[in-house]
Amino acid sequence: GAVVSQHPSRVICKSGTSVKIECRSLDFQATTMFWYRQFPKQSLMLMATSNEGSKATYEQGVEKDKFLINHASLTLSTLTVTSAHPEDSSFYICSAREMRGSNQPQHFGDGTRLSIL
Amino acid sequence: DAKTTQPNSMESNEEEPVHLPCNHSTISGTDYIHWYRQLPSQGPEYVIHGLTSNVNNRMASLAIAEDRKSSTLILHRATLRDAAVYYCILIENAGNMLTFGGGTRLMVKP
Repeated sequence: GAVVSQHPSRVICKSGTSVKIECRSLDFQATTMFWYRQFPKQSLMLMATSNEGSKATYEQGVEKDKFLINHASLTLSTLTVTSAHPEDSSFYICSAREMRGSNQPQHFGDGTRLSIL
Repeated sequence: DAKTTQPNSMESNEEEPVHLPCNHSTISGTDYIHWYRQLPSQGPEYVIHGLTSNVNNRMASLAIAEDRKSSTLILHRATLRDAAVYYCILIENAGNMLTFGGGTRLMVKP
């Protein structure tokens, strides 16, 4: 079945550090990938839609200069949290959908738990 | 995407069937009903989806009301590994995004 790999699974770093998270579709091509953030005991909140070869679309309230998204190929999207601060600590999750058909399931990575000290 | 309403939590006994309800009274004719679940500390996992007819797969069954204003996810025999948050989401036919609501936290008792 379709698999999405997310790396790293956990990051602990100091305030002010920039952190890059990778999301790969392992056995399918994805023109669109999605980035979510989830705080403890809350639901997933969509941050941005990553489109291969073009600029990402950010949801209202998400700073595009703080959360840099690059979708350079049909199998890889990256999210960089720039100059991270403790309030950026969260569970970041990516998802992707196979190209064929608009009504196909999305496949999620296992998430990256980011802790900023 | 149209909104869904689910109970915050439900409990079940192991090896018994579980019926997880979802109300979507404002569903449009082209909205698909998708179910995902999220186990602790993991990303969501696709469970099942349908449009009008009931659907079965190896994980679950989806029963859709005739007027499509509600649906029920059926786990035929709950196991401890089924303890998760279950999300019912509507997606329009040409849609792309998943909008997650609060979901139902299913607890399974041994």
